[in-house]
Amino acid sequence: ELKVEQNPLFLSMQEGKNYTIYCNYSTTSDRLYWYRQDPGKSLESLFVLLSNGAVKQEGRLMASLDTKARLSTLHITAAVHDLSATYFCAVDYTGNQFYFGTGTSLTVIP
Amino acid sequence: DAGITQSPRYKITETGRQVTLMCHQTWSHSYMFWYRQDLGHGLRLIYYSAAADITDKGEVPDGYVVSRSKTENFPLTLESATRSQTSVYFCASSDQVAFFYNEQFFGPGTRLTVL
Repeated sequence: ELKVEQNPLFLSMQEGKNYTIYCNYSTTSDRLYWYRQDPGKSLESLFVLLSNGAVKQEGRLMASLDTKARLSTLHITAAVHDLSATYFCAVDYTGNQFYFGTGTSLTVIP
Repeated sequence: DAGITQSPRYKITETGRQVTLMCHQTWSHSYMFWYRQDLGHGLRLIYYSAAADITDKGEVPDGYVVSRSKTENFPLTLESATRSQTSVYFCASSDQVAFFYNEQFFGPGTRLTVL
């Protein structure tokens, strides 16, 4: 069974702190995507990771992919309130079918 | 406006009624997708389409019907709505400019309530 697991599911962190969200998946894939969703809104693409060892950074967010460990991480550096949202990873197993994780709801406290 | 749109944005219906959710994209993307989002499940794929007149089932297709007569439109029909189909529905599209680059772009969503 194809599974994509994220942890933690809920994360409350103070501004200025660092933290990492983990995305584990059950079947080999070298294509992984991170999305952000604000409450009541659609999904916004953050990162596209297409090979083992891929690392992408945008502002305070950095995503990496380890295909051998079947693990992707989304690292948050010096969190700010604007980063409060739900973050999803999605794994592409077949070339166009995405399997999403359950999401990590991040709240950054001033 | 360019992009991907969904209509209606909100819909309340009754059990047993037929409901159609519309999705329209202006990018001429070949692939289109329908997902449902429920608490605790993330997003789950219902159906997808690789091109006009080509559709295939996703993870949770039961109770849904799709069609794609034109590249830009991908309607989703609930033939006989049930309460378990209360959800937020997202349409997405993608293109294969490069074979492995299949980033999906999402519409604004339709919140459906079945009473």
